[in-house]
Amino acid sequence: EAGVVQSPRYKIIEKKQPVAFWCNPISGHNTLYWYRQNLGQGPELLIRYENEEAVDDSQLPKDRFSAERLKGVDSTLKIQPAELGDSAVYLCASSLAGARSERGAFFGQGTRLTVV
Amino acid sequence: TQLLEQSPQFLSIQEGENLTVYCNSSSVFSSLQWYRQEPGEGPVLLVTVVTGGEVKKLKRLTFQFGDARKDSSLHITAAQPGDTGLYLCAASEYGNKLVFGAGTILRVKS
Repeated sequence: EAGVVQSPRYKIIEKKQPVAFWCNPISGHNTLYWYRQNLGQGPELLIRYENEEAVDDSQLPKDRFSAERLKGVDSTLKIQPAELGDSAVYLCASSLAGARSERGAFFGQGTRLTVV
Repeated sequence: TQLLEQSPQFLSIQEGENLTVYCNSSSVFSSLQWYRQEPGEGPVLLVTVVTGGEVKKLKRLTFQFGDARKDSSLHITAAQPGDTGLYLCAASEYGNKLVFGAGTILRVKS
């Protein structure tokens, strides 16, 4: 079974430029999460999807961040324009029966974003 | 305000030593999970605890869920360099929202 796939692995951009991250969750997983993680810290939830519906985006900075999950499968997270403080690792995760299930959430390797 | 407080933030020990990591909250959770993350990788689930007072063992790792389901601990016996990583506790507030603690960075020296 393929895991959660994210791309790109690394991205370096200049501030004020746009950037997009892509995530392909595990097949059949209804719930998809985007997290942001700073070095040595725990992941912070940005947005959660149940199928194609964004059910929790309270932590998403909506002035510059946007996300979509067309057809309830792949998802894209976009930042426009990027700021220096956006430098972090962006993690995508998916789960089958919800995060409280015994199997938990499965994570991709993340995209490390550096804004210069 | 962090929903889940983890301590210590950083732990550096010698191979063979024992250690305990704590995860505390003022909230009651239906379940709590522990993840381990290595550099350049995403977190990987170690265990899910559901019942107050529950104890689960995974080889040298022992996980305990507090009786009131507000706290949890992870104990590692005879730590090895391969145990090095970031240990994260996580819980669901409501629905499927999964929130994480700030993590404990463990370094085991040989």
